[in-house]
Amino acid sequence: EVQLVESGGGLVAPGGSLRISCAASGFIFSRYEMNWVRQAPGKGLEWISYISSSGSTEYYADSVKGRFTISRDSARNSLSLQMNTLRAEDTAVYYCARVKSGGLDFDYWGQGTLVTVSS
Amino acid sequence: QSVLTQPPSVSGAPGQRVTISCSGGSSNIGAGYDVHWYQLLPGTAPKLLIYDNTNRPSGVPDRFSGSKSGTSASLAITWLQADDEADYYCQAYDRSLSGWVFGGGTKLTVL
Repeated sequence: EVQLVESGGGLVAPGGSLRISCAASGFIFSRYEMNWVRQAPGKGLEWISYISSSGSTEYYADSVKGRFTISRDSARNSLSLQMNTLRAEDTAVYYCARVKSGGLDFDYWGQGTLVTVSS
Repeated sequence: QSVLTQPPSVSGAPGQRVTISCSGGSSNIGAGYDVHWYQLLPGTAPKLLIYDNTNRPSGVPDRFSGSKSGTSASLAITWLQADDEADYYCQAYDRSLSGWVFGGGTKLTVL
């Protein structure tokens, strides 16, 4: 069974940093492209970052470019998002999502981890 | 302001049919990229409902169907049930952003 489990969320002060992770199981992690998507309170879904299956290619939404870094560790079946210079508007539930093989849809998602940026 | 435009809310009585529209532009839906739909229930992981405009993943009832034309797409839900009450999002790849865009989401209320 495919499972994606996020962790590492919490309360952080504005300007601070946080690293969240996504543990993958039930599939060959190294063969799949992965993404981070977030949902701010009362708002819609926002795609924020992509990483290729090899880890050699990364893309970011303008809202997080230069502040967030996506990475993956295929030996540990883990996806991470390093978030720096956090702002109040980064407060959201962060989901990891798998890109379906050969497609552009996200076929599996985790349940999310809440990141709150507040003093 | 989302790149893809959806109505904020729709509603229908049990057994009725509702449709949710999704309007995009020339760099996403109009560029030929497929539209995908997701269902969000509070406290649960988002669920893929329709992929590549019209296809249902295994386990999704055939009461859910999708279509695409030009720069727009639609999700139709027939024979509405109480547990269809959720938020629905459309999604497509956008070549100008080198990433994905979502609609603002539509809240379905079953009366």
